Amino acid sequence: LAKTTQPISMDSYEGQEVNITCSHNNIATNDYITWYQQFPSQGPRFIIQGYKTKVTNEVASLFIPADRKSSTLSLPRVSLSDTAVYYCLVGEGGGADGLTFGKGTHLIIQP
Amino acid sequence: SQTIHQWPATLVQPVGSPLSLECTVEGTSNPNLYWYRQAAGRGLQLLFYSVGIGQISSEVPQNLSASRPQDRQFILSSKKLLLSDSGFYLCAWSVLAGRADTQYFGPGTRLTVL
Repeated sequence: LAKTTQPISMDSYEGQEVNITCSHNNIATNDYITWYQQFPSQGPRFIIQGYKTKVTNEVASLFIPADRKSSTLSLPRVSLSDTAVYYCLVGEGGGADGLTFGKGTHLIIQP
Repeated sequence: SQTIHQWPATLVQPVGSPLSLECTVEGTSNPNLYWYRQAAGRGLQLLFYSVGIGQISSEVPQNLSASRPQDRQFILSSKKLLLSDSGFYLCAWSVLAGRADTQYFGPGTRLTVL
C-alpha cells in the first residue's frame, strides 16, 4: 500500500489557481491516484482520479509525471467555497486497498 | 442515481451503552461497503469493509462490530461504548468497475459518548 505525503495546510486567495502536490514514492504499477475533498461535518467527495499524464474534469486537473512518484491537483480560479481538506489516495482499489486517508491538506481561501 | 443514507445524524450516548448505526445504499447492486471513523481534527480511519452479504473485514481491533444483513445495508454496532468511541462515523460505498476504486460517502453520524 503506497504511502502518501501532502502539505498539512495551504493558503491562497479568490481567483487564484491552487496546486496541491502529493508524494507517493512507492506507487505500484497497478495503482491509481485519487483525490477527495472534505468540508467540515461532511463525508469526503470524489474530485478526480488518474493513472498517468493529465486528467481534467469540470472541477479540477490532475497532473502525473512519467515516474508517477508524485501528483498535483490543480484547482483553477478558486473561490471561498473551495476552503476544505483535500486528500490524496493511491491504490488499486477493492477491499481495503488504497483506502488510507491521511490528514490531508487543509486549503484556506481568503477574499 | 445512487444515494447513500445514514442515521441518525447525531447521537449522544452514555459510556457503557450499546450502539447501532445504520447505512443503506440505493440505486446499485452488490456494492463494497465501508465504515470509517474520523476523530476531531484527524484523518479518516477505516474500521470495516464488506464485499458482500455476511462478509466483513475488520481493519482495527476495537469494541465495535459490523454486520451486513442485506446487500445494501451495513450496520455498525457496539455492546458497550467507550469515551474513545466519540467521533464522526462515515459510511461509504463503491463499485470497482475495471479501474481503481472510487468511494461515495454518506452524510455521517456525529457520535458523542459522555
